[in-house]
Order: sequence, then structure tokens, then C-alpha cells
Amino acid sequence: NAGVTQTPKFRILKIGQSMTLQCAQDMNHNYMYWYRQDPGMGLKLIYYSVGAGITDKGEVPNGYNVSRSTTEDFPLRLELAAPSQTSVYFCASRPGGRRIGNTDTQYFGPGTRLTVL
Amino acid sequence: AQSVTQLDSQVPVFEEAPVELRCNYSSSVSVYLFWYVQYPNQGLQLLLKYLSGSTLVESINGFEAEFNKSQTSFHLRKPSVHISDTAEYFCAVTKVNAGNMLTFGGGTRLMVKP
Repeated sequence: NAGVTQTPKFRILKIGQSMTLQCAQDMNHNYMYWYRQDPGMGLKLIYYSVGAGITDKGEVPNGYNVSRSTTEDFPLRLELAAPSQTSVYFCASRPGGRRIGNTDTQYFGPGTRLTVL
Repeated sequence: AQSVTQLDSQVPVFEEAPVELRCNYSSSVSVYLFWYVQYPNQGLQLLLKYLSGSTLVESINGFEAEFNKSQTSFHLRKPSVHISDTAEYFCAVTKVNAGNMLTFGGGTRLMVKP
């Protein structure tokens, strides 16, 4: 298994540009997550999904959109990039269903480093 | 809402010395507790977790953490560190039976020197 993969690894955007960060997992996990990591601030949850067709907001969703049309893919869309969105973005997934709860390990991708100038 | 505080942003230590990385949390409900490690230019990997039962949990590479409910702490320890332990360590919590949101601390950079 490749695990969780993310593309691109690095990207520089100009203010107002848009882009999609790609995330894919081949472990047949139901749950997928998008986090941003700012220096000294830990990770903050942007959006998450409990299965194909179902998404929900996390702690910091403003300025982002997601979709989940398949179990494998969970892209993150930035419509109008702003300097405040300069960060490292991590995608994660975990197995488990509603009955199991939230004890399962989250598996993280290698991250996308985004700079908005 | 819960919160996590990692008291030290950086911890320099010499190889083979013991180390403790501190983590305190705040929550009005029961939580599960996790330590994740991030090696340079990589994503986070689970190091260990506390769900229930014994308050002392161990990882396969010699780290251990103890859940202390009265002090709301989950400090990470290793009796003898190696150069390869150099990484950033994140403490995280999630509410028991209440959703998917992991709340992370700000991270502690462990720097092991020869």
C-alpha cells in the first residue's frame, strides 16, 4: 500500500489564485481529514469526511472547500488564496465505523507546503 | 472544548541522556490521548495512545507516557535517547465517543546532540 499520498509537495501561489490540493489513500479508510500546520501552533482541522458524499467543517474551514466523491480521494480547494493560507497542509485517514468510535489511529500524508505571496 | 499545552517548544539533549516532553490538557469530559512524532519532511506518525486501562503506555521504540488524570497530564519519556529520535513531537486529545476532531498541542522539537 502507498498509504496516504498528497500532491503537490510544494506550491507558490499569488494572492487571489485558486488551486486544489490532492489527497488519496489506498487503505479503504472511511474517514479522511485535512489539517493545516502553522509554526508553533500544532495542527488545526480544516474539514473532515466520514465517507463518500459526506463532509463536515472542522475548526478552521473559512477559505476552503472539500468534496468526497470516492472513498479514495479527498481534495481540498482554495478559491481565492490569501497570505494567511500560507501553511503546511496535511491529509490524514483512518479506518473505523460509527460503532467503533474515534480510537483508531490516523495515518498522515507527507504534506503540501503552500506559500501565498 | 478541549485544549492541549506542550510547555516546551524545544528540548535539546545529549545522546543517551533521559528526556521528558511535557503535555497538559484541558477538557470538561473524558478524553483519549495520543503522542505523534514528525520526522523532518515527513507526515505525522502515531507513537502511542492512551484509551483506557493501564495509565502507563509504551511504544515499540522505547518511549512511554503516563496518563495522570488528577494533573491532566500525559508526559512522554524515554530513559536514553538516540540521534534518530530527533523530531517534532505532538500531543493530541480527542473526546471520548464524541466525534472525530483531534486537538493538537503546539509541538516540541526534540534535538538530540552527539
